[in-house]
Amino acid sequence: DAGVTQSPTHLIKTRGQQVTLRCSPKSGHDTVSWYQQALGQGPQFIFQYYEEEERQRGNFPDRFSGHQFPNYSSELNVNALLLGDSALYLCASSRDRWDTEAFFGQGTRLTVV
Amino acid sequence: QQQVKQSPQSLIVQKGGISIINCAYENTAFDYFPWYQQFPGKGPALLIAIRPDVSEKKEGRFTISFNKSAKQFSLHIMDSQPGDSATYFCAASYYGGSQGNLIFGKGTKLSVKP
Repeated sequence: DAGVTQSPTHLIKTRGQQVTLRCSPKSGHDTVSWYQQALGQGPQFIFQYYEEEERQRGNFPDRFSGHQFPNYSSELNVNALLLGDSALYLCASSRDRWDTEAFFGQGTRLTVV
Repeated sequence: QQQVKQSPQSLIVQKGGISIINCAYENTAFDYFPWYQQFPGKGPALLIAIRPDVSEKKEGRFTISFNKSAKQFSLHIMDSQPGDSATYFCAASYYGGSQGNLIFGKGTKLSVKP
């Protein structure tokens, strides 16, 4: 049983560019959350998707947007990249929106230069 | 403000010793307190979790102690091994209308010396 898978694993982008990160949840899970983990810090909640809609959002600007597809996979889009967006982006899935047990992927390391 | 404060920032323990990591929270609405283990280059992995209706939960060498009145919880790693060397995060969550997101501490880097 595959766990949460994310792609790509590493990415280098230039300031001002746009980036799309992808996530496939664990089999049987329908809820996906995205987190940003800066170096040496704990993950910070960006937003959560279930039933193909954004349901909760953390303290992140509108440059961060997402999407969930009918197969429950998800994308995180970041526009107008800033140097400060350099971080490990983590996707977590859970069985449903009531289940707090979250399983994380290995993350996408985004470097903005 | 919803916060989870974690200490110490780093910890060095001898093999076979006990590792203790502490967390404190502010929001009494939190009702789920997990601990995650993260190795370099990997995503966090759920280690053990507790709800506020119990004061202690043990799984193998890992134990969570929970003090609801003090709004504190801690992770104890018994018989610490070099393979336990990783960064540990406490977190908290609550049902705020729908599933709560996880609020993480800043992490504790544990080094277990052979």
